[in-house]
Amino acid sequence: GAGVSQSPSNKVTEKGKDVELRCDPISGHTALYWYRQSLGQGLEFLIYFQGNSAPDKSGLPSDRFSAERTGGSVSTLTIQRTQQEDSAVYLCASSSPGHRSYEQYFGPGTRLTVT
Amino acid sequence: DQQVKQNSPSLSVQEGRISILNCDYTNSMFDYFLWYKKYPAEGPTFLISISSIKDKNEDGRFTVFLNKSAKHLSLHIVPSQPGDSAVYFCAASAPPGANNLFFGTGTRLTVIP
Repeated sequence: GAGVSQSPSNKVTEKGKDVELRCDPISGHTALYWYRQSLGQGLEFLIYFQGNSAPDKSGLPSDRFSAERTGGSVSTLTIQRTQQEDSAVYLCASSSPGHRSYEQYFGPGTRLTVT
Repeated sequence: DQQVKQNSPSLSVQEGRISILNCDYTNSMFDYFLWYKKYPAEGPTFLISISSIKDKNEDGRFTVFLNKSAKHLSLHIVPSQPGDSAVYFCAASAPPGANNLFFGTGTRLTVIP
């Protein structure tokens, strides 16, 4: 399939450890987004990449969160010194340039559990 | 501060009847609205959208209505089918670059056969 893929699908980690979540967007999609969904909440925007432009990091909740996108394709979201409140489903989405850039295609998500 | 609100966490509808999912927003700068559908263990999938210059958009069994003065939109599904059972998220985007979408908390629709 040519959809957005994310790995791992599930991650259980101990409080204080670092985690890396990976996203492979749809080929040709220049925009990439990270969101998270905590229990009972809507999707919360984290960060946005568009081509070679500087990313929009306005949604990152703390400096423990960072993300990079290499070669305009694969992205990695890193959470350092994880806390229990970081437990959530982390969703990656991508979109193509043009007037339908609002329509984002989501991956299946990574469920992160911090114990 | 939730700018997009879905006040009904769940809705049950009989197969063949109409499902109406509601969404309210607070930001008058929002100019594009979308509905996403999410099955368990999958990411949300785009369903239908509407620009703020329109008040209705229809795609098969799905119709989205926008009432800008009330800052309210709704998704109508008719006739409802058991396969429509999922969580539906309302989302909104503000100009100019749609860097991110603002999502509601979702409504779980159950269509009873």
